[in-house]
Amino acid sequence: QVQLLQSGGEVKKPGASVKVSCQASGYTFTSKAISWVRQAPGQGLEWMGWISTNNGNTNYGQNFQGRVTMTTDTSTSTAYMELRSLRFDDTAVYYCVRGSFAGNGAFDLWGQGTLVTVSS
Amino acid sequence: QSALTQPPSASGSPGQSVTISCTGTSNDVGGYNYVSWYQQHPGKAPKLIIYEVTKRPSGVPDRFSGSTSGNTASLTVSGLQAEDEADYYCSSYSGSRNGGFFGTGTRVTVL
Repeated sequence: QVQLLQSGGEVKKPGASVKVSCQASGYTFTSKAISWVRQAPGQGLEWMGWISTNNGNTNYGQNFQGRVTMTTDTSTSTAYMELRSLRFDDTAVYYCVRGSFAGNGAFDLWGQGTLVTVSS
Repeated sequence: QSALTQPPSASGSPGQSVTISCTGTSNDVGGYNYVSWYQQHPGKAPKLIIYEVTKRPSGVPDRFSGSTSGNTASLTVSGLQAEDEADYYCSSYSGSRNGGFFGTGTRVTVL
């Protein structure tokens, strides 16, 4: 079954870091990039950046540069997104998605989402 | 510009058509054929329904169609069905950002 399976929800305090994982199955992991998209409660979608699953090259959105790191482990077909210095407004559902704006911009496979709650 | 502009809401009766606009600039929607559309039902992950302006992934009904004119992309849903009630988002590559971004989202209501 072709899918992206994400890690479970997290509760973090302001200033902490969170690392979300995303394991791909059912297709060749290195055939397409992985992007990350988040959605705050009741809000729209926000693109965070993408990582090449071939060579690890990354491109981060302006709003996240300096605070986010995306990595992959090709041996386990897993992508990771770490967000540091968490703020209350980082509370959101974080999605890993297959595809990137460096390709045709089509995100054709979505993970189930990981809710990250930032609370004191 | 932080997001593409969409109307907050749209509606239509079953069987009718509804068209959603997505307005950007010549650096994104108007400059590249990399506009996609996503459908999101409450509590679910978004689903790709249109890519490269007009193309439909396998399994997406041909009731969904996309187009562009200048800096504005459009999604038309023909023959509205109850299951089409959802939030819809456009997205586009942006040459000025070397990345891309999403639209503000449109909630479609089937009356």
